[in-house]
Amino acid sequence: AQKITQTQPGMFVQEKEAVTLDCTYDTSDQSYGLFWYKQPSSGEMIFLIYQGSYDEQNATEGRYSLNFQKARKSANLVISASQLGDSAMYFCAMREGGTGGFKTIFGAGTRLFVKA
Amino acid sequence: NAGVTQTPKFQVLKTGQSMTLQCAQDMNHNSMYWYRQDPGMGLRLIYYSASEGTTDKGEVPNGYNVSRLNKREFSLRLESAAPSQTSVYFCASSDGPGRNEQFFGPGTRLTVL
Repeated sequence: AQKITQTQPGMFVQEKEAVTLDCTYDTSDQSYGLFWYKQPSSGEMIFLIYQGSYDEQNATEGRYSLNFQKARKSANLVISASQLGDSAMYFCAMREGGTGGFKTIFGAGTRLFVKA
Repeated sequence: NAGVTQTPKFQVLKTGQSMTLQCAQDMNHNSMYWYRQDPGMGLRLIYYSASEGTTDKGEVPNGYNVSRLNKREFSLRLESAAPSQTSVYFCASSDGPGRNEQFFGPGTRLTVL
């Protein structure tokens, strides 16, 4: 069965430093996609980055990069040069491929606090 | 483009009452989703619709029904609300497989007394 695990309920990081948010997943599908979303205190969900299971290179989007280790089934989010505006909840999500209809599940999230 | 819109934004129900949450998207997306988010928790998938005319159960479908009215609209119905259904409900849409991320609505905050 699909499962996403985020083991860090809360993380602190100093402004301008890098931080890694952990995500492990479990699936029996060979084709799947991994996503990270940010949820600020205002409540909206903001897409950050995507990694496909067949992508050979780690995804990067500006200050966000995804450390994808397929054999370990991990998809950690790395935020470089943290900013105060990065303080938010971060969710890892997985969508299985195939004809199943793109069912997507989310992890429990990690709350990131950026300190000035 | 409005993206994904949800109505209402807030709702208070009494136990046993019914209501329908409305969701519409104007991005011509094939797939639509309903999630619930309980305080301090992640999103749990209630139902999803891969394409117009199809719906499937997610992780927590009990107590809910859905209707994919057309390509744009996907509604969520609570037939007999219970306090355990107090949550924030998010609707989302995406354009299918691959890199296509989900676009989320602003959410509906539902309280069941």
